[in-house]
Amino acid sequence: DAGVIQSPRHEVTEMGQEVTLRCKPISGHNSLFWYRQTMMRGLELLIYFNNNVPIDDSGMPEDRFSAKMPNASFSTLKIQPSEPRDSAVYFCASSLARTHNEQFFGPGTRLTVL
Amino acid sequence: DAKTTQPPSMDCAEGRAANLPCNHSTISGNEYVYWYRQIHSQGPQYIIHGLKNNETNEMASLIITEDRKSSTLILPHATLRDTAVYYCIVRVSGGGADGLTFGKGTHLIIQP
Repeated sequence: DAGVIQSPRHEVTEMGQEVTLRCKPISGHNSLFWYRQTMMRGLELLIYFNNNVPIDDSGMPEDRFSAKMPNASFSTLKIQPSEPRDSAVYFCASSLARTHNEQFFGPGTRLTVL
Repeated sequence: DAKTTQPPSMDCAEGRAANLPCNHSTISGNEYVYWYRQIHSQGPQYIIHGLKNNETNEMASLIITEDRKSSTLILPHATLRDTAVYYCIVRVSGGGADGLTFGKGTHLIIQP
């Protein structure tokens, strides 16, 4: 069982550049979540999808952030243009969309924007 | 979702039981208590959840008071690998279909 796969694991970029983070959920899971973790704000939910449809994007900080889920096995989180304050660890998680099913988290992508 | 209060940090000796408290005095009748933990440099990991009865699985036990205003996560024989931040989350659903709201959690340090 491969678990949730995220790529890249580390990304260093310069301010103003476009950044794309990728996630492959666990096969058979139909809910996918993007979280961000910083020292100041802790773990925050950015957006989540059920059956590839975005359900709640109220956590997305601003229009520079966008997320897509073109199919059940792939999702992207894009930041354009990136800013230093976007530096954080971004986690993707997946689950079966049932009431008490646990979420399985990926290893995260550590993003540094210079 | 009800607010939770946890101590910021705790120490426990290796091999002893680690008891992590969580206060959730505003919990509603249909809200569950969930515990996740995050080991350094890893994503959070589900531990256990419960409504009002005590629960036990291979990782831990969850004790919920009769008035449901507080709970305790018990790691019966703590090991160094249990050093992590432990999050207590209260919500109606388990997060299977909804996002989770994490607080600051308790940093549990297991001492050799």
